[in-house]
Amino acid sequence: EAGVAQSPRYKIIEKRQSVAFWCNPISGHATLYWYQQILGQGPKLLIQFQNNGVVDDSQLPKDRFSAERLKGVDSTLKIQPAKLEDSAVYLCASSLEPLKEQYFGPGTRLTVT
Amino acid sequence: AQRVTQPEKLLSVFKGAPVELKCNYSYSGSPELFWYVQYSRQRLQLLLRHISRESIKGFTADLNKGETSFHLKKPFAQEEDSAMYYCALKGAGAQKLVFGQGTRLTINP
Repeated sequence: EAGVAQSPRYKIIEKRQSVAFWCNPISGHATLYWYQQILGQGPKLLIQFQNNGVVDDSQLPKDRFSAERLKGVDSTLKIQPAKLEDSAVYLCASSLEPLKEQYFGPGTRLTVT
Repeated sequence: AQRVTQPEKLLSVFKGAPVELKCNYSYSGSPELFWYVQYSRQRLQLLLRHISRESIKGFTADLNKGETSFHLKKPFAQEEDSAMYYCALKGAGAQKLVFGQGTRLTINP
């Protein structure tokens, strides 16, 4: 079975620019997660979707970050405008159900200069 | 609040030696604990979970509620065990994983 797909794999932008990341979960997986992993730290959950609804976005900086999963399949995460501290790897994961094993994508490495 | 602490950022052992990666947690209820691993140039993946009580690739981990720990152990390290290891916690009834900062394990030949 195909794994979680993410694009782009790498992105370099200047501060105050905008950027978007895309994630396609494993087919049939209803739950989708976006994590932020800053260098030297573990992943931190930004937002969790169940189908096309948001379950938890308590740690999403909503003044600059937004995410959507309109059709309950693939998802986009946007940062507008980016700050230097947004430099990180953004991981997407999916699971069949909320309490089942999460499968991670390869991540997108964002560098903000 | 839920918190996971991995006190060692780096751990280096020789092949054939025992390995123990430490994980301590802070949670008032009954948590579910996990170990995730990321090998070089691969994705983050689940290694084992405490409720399964299984041994994966020779690794075991026992949940010690008294010491609030979930240390990962292997009696004889192999070179292919070199990787980044993350301990993670999920609160009772919760859906969110909280990760520790990770330990980079290097097995020397």
